[in-house]
Amino acid sequence: AAGVIQSPRHLIKEKRETATLKCYPIPRHDTVYWYQQGPGQDPQFLISFYEKMQSDKGSIPDRFSAQQFSDYHSELNMSSLELGDSALYFCASSPHRYDNYGYTFGSGTRLTVV
Amino acid sequence: AQTVTQSQPEMSVQEAETVTLSCTYDTSENNYYLFWYKQPPSRQMILVIRQEAYKQQNATENRFSVNFQKAAKSFSLKISDSQLGDTAMYFCAFMKLTGANSKLTFGKGITLSVRP
Repeated sequence: AAGVIQSPRHLIKEKRETATLKCYPIPRHDTVYWYQQGPGQDPQFLISFYEKMQSDKGSIPDRFSAQQFSDYHSELNMSSLELGDSALYFCASSPHRYDNYGYTFGSGTRLTVV
Repeated sequence: AQTVTQSQPEMSVQEAETVTLSCTYDTSENNYYLFWYKQPPSRQMILVIRQEAYKQQNATENRFSVNFQKAAKSFSLKISDSQLGDTAMYFCAFMKLTGANSKLTFGKGITLSVRP
């Protein structure tokens, strides 16, 4: 079965650089969520999109922006990277109508800022 | 806002024994869902079990079952016949029910080690 695809799997950036993380949802999933999980921490919700519109916003820094495209894939853009941005970034996708068994996480992108 | 509390940072259990992981939550919502997710060393987030708050019957999935106490806002996970592959981080999570999927609020997690 198709899963949520995240790219890249690993990314190393220097401070003050920019990073772009990509997420390709499961086909026919119209909602995408981004979570940030710091080392030894629980995942924190950043932002979500439904039908290409932002549907909810969490603790996302102003240096980060995201969007969902017409093919439903999403990109998280992170600028002026800081050491504290080093984390595992998860994308999840789901149908809009509630169906938790359709709420699927990708394998994550591990971002290391040096 | 919802909060999810997992007060035990680590637990250890002997293979084939039973272990219970605790979770409490706080919310003013009446309709919501609760979940347990497993995160093994691969860091993949895997759904273990879910519970709809409007259902009184505790959810069960093979060796995994929950004890859901709505009035006490408690949601514990029982793992029976523990296996080495159960070694992982376990997160309790909350989702407000609005008819649509929404964000998950996670607890801090508990590291479970299964000893051979």
